[in-house]
Formats: sequence, structure tokens, C-alpha cells
Amino acid sequence: DIVMTQSPLSLSVTPGQPASISCKSSQSLLHSDGKAYLNWYVQKPGQAPKLLMYEVSDRFSGVPDRFSGSGSETDFTLKISRVEAEDVGLYYCMQRTQIPITFGQGTRLEIK
Amino acid sequence: EVQLVESGGGLVQPGGSLRLSCAASGFGVSNSYMIWFRQAPGKGLEWVSLIYSGGITNYADSVRGRFTISRDNSKNTLYLQMNSLRVEDTGVYYCSRTQETGDSWGQGTLVTVSS
Repeated sequence: DIVMTQSPLSLSVTPGQPASISCKSSQSLLHSDGKAYLNWYVQKPGQAPKLLMYEVSDRFSGVPDRFSGSGSETDFTLKISRVEAEDVGLYYCMQRTQIPITFGQGTRLEIK
Repeated sequence: EVQLVESGGGLVQPGGSLRLSCAASGFGVSNSYMIWFRQAPGKGLEWVSLIYSGGITNYADSVRGRFTISRDNSKNTLYLQMNSLRVEDTGVYYCSRTQETGDSWGQGTLVTVSS
């Protein structure tokens, strides 16, 4: 199984400042079709996870452009250019390059 | 608009069974890549099962042999039949549709396995 490791597990950010979350996989996420199936989600209390980024760097419909994703092989990053109060939540990375699909542990983003 | 609505959760005793439903609208489950996930109380997300558009299925080791994923194209609904339930199966179960431009999730249904 591919193990996904996120860091940090929590971060506190002042509104307007940037934030960055790392996600490392135990194996390359490059599929034989040339794509890396790495998604980022945010989950708020009592709600289902919501997709932010798919295939590493494609922003899902309706996601603000302050969110961006980058990386390749085993090293991936989600960046928020200017954190807003509404960005509070738990952030997860997920790989579906290989079955079983696996998630990172989650990173809690708080606002200072 | 794509919409997924799960139902069928509830309280069940260990060893019991439940069937979860995921009613889809805005697309057809028959030609979609559909996934069940779950989340134990206060824990992270876990993949449970999937069905590809062609009908091939797969399961997490923790549920293989006990859970069965299926779909009813006439009702445009995805199912998860859960047998021999264990306390550790407790959690919110989400269905999801994956496509080339991202995925959509339902709001989840709570399954509680307890005596």
C-alpha cells in the first residue's frame, strides 16, 4: 500500500499570509498513463470533504485561485497564497494512482 | 448539477447487516467510476470500495468478503451491502463519483455498530 505522510499536522496562520502543506508518498504516484492521481481536500466540521485540487495541480470548479498544487513523483505541496478565515478546516491529500486508495493523516489549519 | 444522496445508515448490532444507498442525479452511475469512503468518529478518511464504469469492483482488505458494492442503473443508484458488521465499521459513509475533471461527494450517512 502507498503510505501518504502529511506535514505539518497543524498550522496556525494570520489572515493574508501564505500557508503550505506537504504530502509525501511512499511510492511514485506517476501512473502508467503519465498522470499523477493526487488530490487535495478540505473538510469542515460536520461536512463532507470538498475537492480542491486533482491530478496534483488542477483546480476543481469553483475553487479560488489562491489555492495551488504542485509536485511530482513522491513529493507534493498545497499552497494557499493568502489565507482567509473561511479556509479553516482539515486538509487531506489522497492518492488513487494505485489501489488501495490512501489518504494522508490530515492537516488542521487554524487562523491566528 | 451532479448530486449524490446517501441513505440507509443507522444503528445495528455486531454481526448484523445494512444496505447503504447512494441516489445519483445529474449523471448516470452506469458509466461512472464510483467510490465508497468512510470516516470513523474523530478519525481520518478511509477508502472502502469502488466500481469502475465497466463493472470491475475492488475492496479494502478490512471489508473484503463482508461488503459488496453494486449499482442499479434503472434507479441510478449505487449500493453498499454490508454484512457481518463489526464495531470498527462505525462511521460516516460517503459515496463519490470520480471523473476526469475531479470528483463529487455526497453528504454521508452514519453507521453505528454497537450492542
